[in-house]
Amino acid sequence: AQKITQTQPGMFVQEKEAVTLDCTYDTSDQSYGLFWYKQPSSGEMIFLIYQGSYDEQNATEGRYSLNFQKARKSANLVISASQLGDSAMYFCAMRENSGGSNYKLTFGKGTLLTVNP
Amino acid sequence: EAGVAQSPRYKIIEKRQSVAFWCNPISGHATLYWYQQILGQGPKLLIQFQNNGVVDDSQLPKDRFSAERLKGVDSTLKIQPAKLEDSAVYLCASRPTSGYTDTQYFGPGTRLTVL
Repeated sequence: AQKITQTQPGMFVQEKEAVTLDCTYDTSDQSYGLFWYKQPSSGEMIFLIYQGSYDEQNATEGRYSLNFQKARKSANLVISASQLGDSAMYFCAMRENSGGSNYKLTFGKGTLLTVNP
Repeated sequence: EAGVAQSPRYKIIEKRQSVAFWCNPISGHATLYWYQQILGQGPKLLIQFQNNGVVDDSQLPKDRFSAERLKGVDSTLKIQPAKLEDSAVYLCASRPTSGYTDTQYFGPGTRLTVL
């Protein structure tokens, strides 16, 4: 069984500063993928960034980057230059294959990020 | 491109009543997922469809929950009868199958309150 652990229930950051949200995972699969989603108070899950287990470089998407340390089984999200609109719940998730090209996601419990002005 | 649509956005019912949720995935997305998100937790997969076939329903409480995707497009999730612990946000997500992509795209969710 796979497991995603997010140890920070809440985080605070000052506007324009960088923040790191932690995620560790547990899997015996060789091929897997890690995702980060943002969930604002409106409830929609917004895809932010993806890292494949065989990707040699850390993924980046604008102000988001993923600090992937395979040996430590960690996939931390780094948000640079925080903005007030970044205040939201952030979920780490891991892909679990369902057979063929199908897969499902297993989510962590999330981290509530608050950006202070 | 339109996103995943869900309705209703909010629903309040009493325990033992029935309720149904509707999802319209992004056009062309063959894979559709229903998740349950209880307050303070991450989403948990209930059921996964590939076109109109079920791929995974291992975590669906089949004594009260049912889902269908008859024409491989829209999907409905039903709860009958509802219990207090069913209070949650029900999220629908879809994923394309043309080409290789891992990203699931989520709808806005339906917030269910069972009294």
